[in-house]
Amino acid sequence: QVQLVQSGADVKKPGASVKVSCKASGYTFTAYYMHWVRQAPGQGLEWVGWINSNSGDTNYAQKFQGRVTMTRDTSINTAYMEVNNLRSDDTAVYYCTRDQWLRFLFDYWGQGTLVTVSS
Amino acid sequence: IVLTQSPGTLSLSPGERATLSCRASQSVSISRSDSSTQLAWYQQKPGQAPRLLIYGASSRATGIPDRFSGSGSGTDFTLTISRLEPEDFAVYYCQQYGSSPGTFGQGTKVEIK
Repeated sequence: QVQLVQSGADVKKPGASVKVSCKASGYTFTAYYMHWVRQAPGQGLEWVGWINSNSGDTNYAQKFQGRVTMTRDTSINTAYMEVNNLRSDDTAVYYCTRDQWLRFLFDYWGQGTLVTVSS
Repeated sequence: IVLTQSPGTLSLSPGERATLSCRASQSVSISRSDSSTQLAWYQQKPGQAPRLLIYGASSRATGIPDRFSGSGSGTDFTLTISRLEPEDFAVYYCQQYGSSPGTFGQGTKVEIK
């Protein structure tokens, strides 16, 4: 069965960086794009960006450009998202979610990773 | 495209019918491959990830019970839950995926009355 398993919760200070992982199983990893979507406490869903799991091409939402880097390791079917220069308003649950044809239709999601930014 | 969901909160009892609305600021795109309208609905329970319920405005995702149905076209869409089960009390989001980057509505919370 399809599973996306993310790394555990993390606490960072403002200005630090965080790297979240998302390990995929149950499907051909390179056949799907991986997106990252975040959700601030009590808020809605916000798209962060995507990575082509095959080629490594990426595209980020404008507000995250320059601070977010998405990578993948096809040898272990894992996608990563790194956020730099963290601010308090980056506190959120970050989800990975897959999308087969870059339609932005998300059929399976990871369980989420809470990133808390606090001094 | 901005999606506006209403109401913000819906207070209902188990067994009742739930009707959730999603209005788009402009017409939602239609897929050239299968002519479906590119509007989806997701369910999110506390502490859990969103789950895809409906895509193509009216097609149920794998494993979704038939008490969930989607309808609509253009700018007005509806998610209907025919008879609420205890596990259906959650937050529901609509999403358009025809125009990158696939914006979400702000959500409707269905709570137990």
